[in-house]
Formats: sequence, C-alpha cells, structure tokens
Amino acid sequence: KAGVTQTPRYLIKTRGQQVTLSCSPISGHRSVSWYQQTPGQGLQFLFEYFSETQRNKGNFPGRFSGRQFSNSRSEMNVSTLELGDSALYLCASSPGAAGGSYNEQFFGPGTRLTVL
Amino acid sequence: KNEVEQSPQNLTAQEGEFITINCSYSVGISALHWLQQHPGGGIVSLFMLSSGKKKHGRLIATINIQEKHSSLHITASHPRDSAVYICAVPTNFGNEKLTFGTGTRLTIIP
Repeated sequence: KAGVTQTPRYLIKTRGQQVTLSCSPISGHRSVSWYQQTPGQGLQFLFEYFSETQRNKGNFPGRFSGRQFSNSRSEMNVSTLELGDSALYLCASSPGAAGGSYNEQFFGPGTRLTVL
Repeated sequence: KNEVEQSPQNLTAQEGEFITINCSYSVGISALHWLQQHPGGGIVSLFMLSSGKKKHGRLIATINIQEKHSSLHITASHPRDSAVYICAVPTNFGNEKLTFGTGTRLTIIP
C-alpha cells in the first residue's frame, strides 16, 4: 500500500500570497489531520477532516483553512501569508471512524513552506 | 487542556546503551502516542497505547494511567536510533485533537 503523499515538498512564497498544500491519504483511510511544526512552537494541530467534514480545529487564525474531497484527499490553504507561517506542514491519515487521538497516525513527508 | 512534558530534552549515549525517555501529562487520556522524527522531517508512529506495555523490536513503551506518565525505552541502542522522539496525548479526555510534547533529541554515538 502506498503511504501518505504530500505535494509539493518544498515551497517558497512571499508575504501576502496564498498557498495550497495537498495530501493524499493511505487508500481506505478516511481521516486526515494537518499539523504545523515550527522550531519555536513544535508540533501543533491544525484541523482534522473525516468524510469531507471538518471534525476538529486547532487554535489557528481563519487564514488557515482546509477541505477534504470525496476520495479522502485533502487540501489546506493559507491566505495572506506571514513570515511566521514558515514551517513544516504535515498531514497524517488514520483508519477507522474515530479521530486521530484514538487511531494510529500515518504521517506524510511534509511540505516545507518558506515565506520571504 | 493537557500539558505534556518530556524529559530529557537532549540525550547523548554510546551505542549499546539502554535509553529511557519520559513523558508526563496533566489530564486523563484515552491513549498516548510515541512518534519518531528523523532529521529529514518524516514522522513515524512508533506506538499508541492506553495501558500497560507494548514492545516492538528493541523499543518498549510503558504507560501508568494513574500516575499520568509514560516511558519509551530503547534496548541495545544503535546510531540509526538517533532521532527526535515525541509523545502526544489528546488535548482533553475524549478529545480527538492531539497535544504534542516538545520532543527528546537522541544522539547515539558509535
């Protein structure tokens, strides 16, 4: 079975631009979670989607949004980029209907976003 | 909201040594996750446990629900074990969001 894939792997943007990141979960996994990792804040939960519905959301501003498609692929969008948005963005998929805290998480390689 | 503390923050050991990494949390949980992150950034889930002990190869994870504490042990450590180890727990009991520890950076010297 193919693992979780994320595209692109690296991205450079400038302040004020917007960005869309993509995540394809493991086949059959319906839950997709997104995380942000920075040197200062560590790993932080962004949101989780299950069956095209946002089920949980972390404490991030409205500039961060996401969606999930019927094939479970997910995208996250960051609008009006700020320097502090530079981070590694990871997605993880998990099997089953329960959320990420109740199921093993399978992580993708991440997208490293640099905002100049 | 769950507070997660890991110790030590950094650990350097010689190849072959027995390694212990600790994780404490403040709110009762349904399950605790141990993750491994290599320098390239990729994260691998090592264990998810809600009670007792789990073993996978040279890795052992234990959890004490009453004391709100978990440990990750590595036996016969090897340089390829060098990585950051992160524990994660639900943000609140029954919650599906994860709160992460700050990680323990492990370096195994040959």
